[in-house]
Amino acid sequence: GAGVSQSPSNKVTEKGKDVELRCDPISGHTALYWYRQSLGQGLEFLIYFQGNSAPDKSGLPSDRFSAERTGGSVSTLTIQRTQQEDSAVYLCASSLGSAGLGGEQFFGPGTRLTVL
Amino acid sequence: AQSVSQHNHHVILSEAASLELGCNYSYGGTVNLFWYVQYPGQHLQLLLKYFSGDPLVKGIKGFEAEFIKSKFSFNLRKPSVQWSDTAEYFCAVNDDKLIFGTGTRLQVFP
Repeated sequence: GAGVSQSPSNKVTEKGKDVELRCDPISGHTALYWYRQSLGQGLEFLIYFQGNSAPDKSGLPSDRFSAERTGGSVSTLTIQRTQQEDSAVYLCASSLGSAGLGGEQFFGPGTRLTVL
Repeated sequence: AQSVSQHNHHVILSEAASLELGCNYSYGGTVNLFWYVQYPGQHLQLLLKYFSGDPLVKGIKGFEAEFIKSKFSFNLRKPSVQWSDTAEYFCAVNDDKLIFGTGTRLQVFP
């Protein structure tokens, strides 16, 4: 596609429910990243994928958070038993080549998650 | 672990004023440095980046940044801002993933 796309654009859920957020990276980009943007915390790294593997999951805040990537393309970020502090904008980015090469990351529009 | 500091949290300027936003990073080795911008309601997009070579980097929309290794700094500058530069600006360093500063909100008034 022309850019990174994310769905849904907005998600409102009740505390305790599970949510799935989807990211479609730019075609051909092998590296995919998830970040979270929230008031007071700025932009935080969550996890990145190189192909279908996740060499760095260090930013996932708890074991309620998980992510997978299939076919070297689409990625899903799952948050189980959501809490109010999970409310944030979840951003996905992709880059051509491995993360270690320091290439430009292209960002999607984000999914705004609100946990009531 | 690397970290990035942006000292200006909120900057208010009139059009045609000059801009300088501070950015300092913690890592002393080889770094890749970036400035990203987020206009209201839009995606994060790259303004400019430094990998190596000339420490004065030119970006889009008249922005530039200077990498000063001895000061661990990568300040963003623009000689004359416009109302359309109103946005949030993020400095970042690449440590496989991007480590972002907390951002600077710039408001430019006509």
